[in-house]
Amino acid sequence: GAVVSQHPSWVICKSGTSVKIECRSLDFQATTMFWYRQFPKQSLMLMATSNEGSKATYEQGVEKDKFLINHASLTLSTLTVTSAHPEDSSFYICSARDSTLDTPLHFGNGTRLTVT
Amino acid sequence: QKEVEQNSGPLSVPEGAIASLNCTYSDRGSQSFFWYRQYSGKSPELIMSIYSNGDKEDGRFTAQLNKASQYVSLLIRDSQPSDSATYLCAVNNDMRFGAGTRLTVKP
Repeated sequence: GAVVSQHPSWVICKSGTSVKIECRSLDFQATTMFWYRQFPKQSLMLMATSNEGSKATYEQGVEKDKFLINHASLTLSTLTVTSAHPEDSSFYICSARDSTLDTPLHFGNGTRLTVT
Repeated sequence: QKEVEQNSGPLSVPEGAIASLNCTYSDRGSQSFFWYRQYSGKSPELIMSIYSNGDKEDGRFTAQLNKASQYVSLLIRDSQPSDSATYLCAVNNDMRFGAGTRLTVKP
């Protein structure tokens, strides 16, 4: 089955630094990938849609200059949290669908970010 | 009206019982339906896909689709404590999720 690999699984960084999270589709090509954030006991919130070769589409209220998304190839999307602050501490998850419509989403294992 | 609605729960069932999770949708032309399970602190995982009217069984899980009534259900037979999780319903190419239904199976 389709596998999405996300790295790192957890990261601790100091306030003001930047953190990059990678999301790879291992056995399929993904023209579109999705990035989510989830705070404890809350719903999975879509942050942005990552489009291969073009700009990401951000959800309302998500700062595009703070959460930089790059989707340079059909198998890799990255999310960079810039100038991280403690309130950015959360669980970040990516997902992708293979190029066929009406197929399920495949999720990475998530990245737990803690900003100290 | 939301496009996809789930019974909000939380739902609690005793071990060994049948857990029934329901989802209704508004787009009558919807073609594909998915159930995901998310354990606390983990990312979601796909447990069932269903595309045709009727039942689809996979082990203890049965997805039921009724396009005329615009609902899709997930039944979990012989519920186990390990089934305790949040269950998310998605329709077509949804990439947004609601709160899902939180299921607790009590030993």
